Amino acid sequence: KAGVTQTPRYLIKTRGQQVTLSCSPISGHRSVSWYQQTPGQGLQFLFEYFSETQRNKGNFPGRFSGRQFSNSRSEMNVSTLELGDSALYLCASSTLPGLVGHEQYFGPGTRLTVT
Amino acid sequence: QKEVEQDPGPLSVPEGAIVSLNCTYSNSAFQYFMWYRQYSRKGPELLMYTYSSGNKEDGRFTAQVDKSSKYISLFIRDSQPSDSATYLCAMSAGGGSQGNLIFGKGTKLSVKP
Repeated sequence: KAGVTQTPRYLIKTRGQQVTLSCSPISGHRSVSWYQQTPGQGLQFLFEYFSETQRNKGNFPGRFSGRQFSNSRSEMNVSTLELGDSALYLCASSTLPGLVGHEQYFGPGTRLTVT
Repeated sequence: QKEVEQDPGPLSVPEGAIVSLNCTYSNSAFQYFMWYRQYSRKGPELLMYTYSSGNKEDGRFTAQVDKSSKYISLFIRDSQPSDSATYLCAMSAGGGSQGNLIFGKGTKLSVKP
């Protein structure tokens, strides 16, 4: 069974631009979560989606948004990019939401660099 | 005080050594404890999962939870160069959302042949 796929894998953007990242969950998985990983802050939760509905949102500014489609694929968008948004953005999928992490599978991430 | 503290390392050991990785936490409501392994340029993968207190063993890996001390450990026996990775602890009080999962910042481990 194919794992979680994320596109693109690497991205370089300029301050002020916006970016859209894509995540395709494991087949049959309907819940998708997004995380930001930086050396300073570690892995931080961004949002969680299930059945096209956002179930939970982390403590990030409104410039960070996301959505989920009917086929469970998800996108996240960051508008007005700042240098501090440079990070590895990870997507994780599970069959159901809130399975406390032990049934959650991560993708390889999208490395975003903001210059 | 951060909810979850983890020494970032780096930790370098010779092949065959026993490795001990640790996290401390402050929230006494945490009852689900996980260890993830993250190789360079990859996403984290679940290594061990423990509910509440006690020990869990899986091959060369042993996870321990001491809720009275708010301390969890991961032991790797007979460490191999392929164990070189960043190890992340994670914990949750439950609550039905992945947003309740709190991660440590990770310990980078290098096992030298």
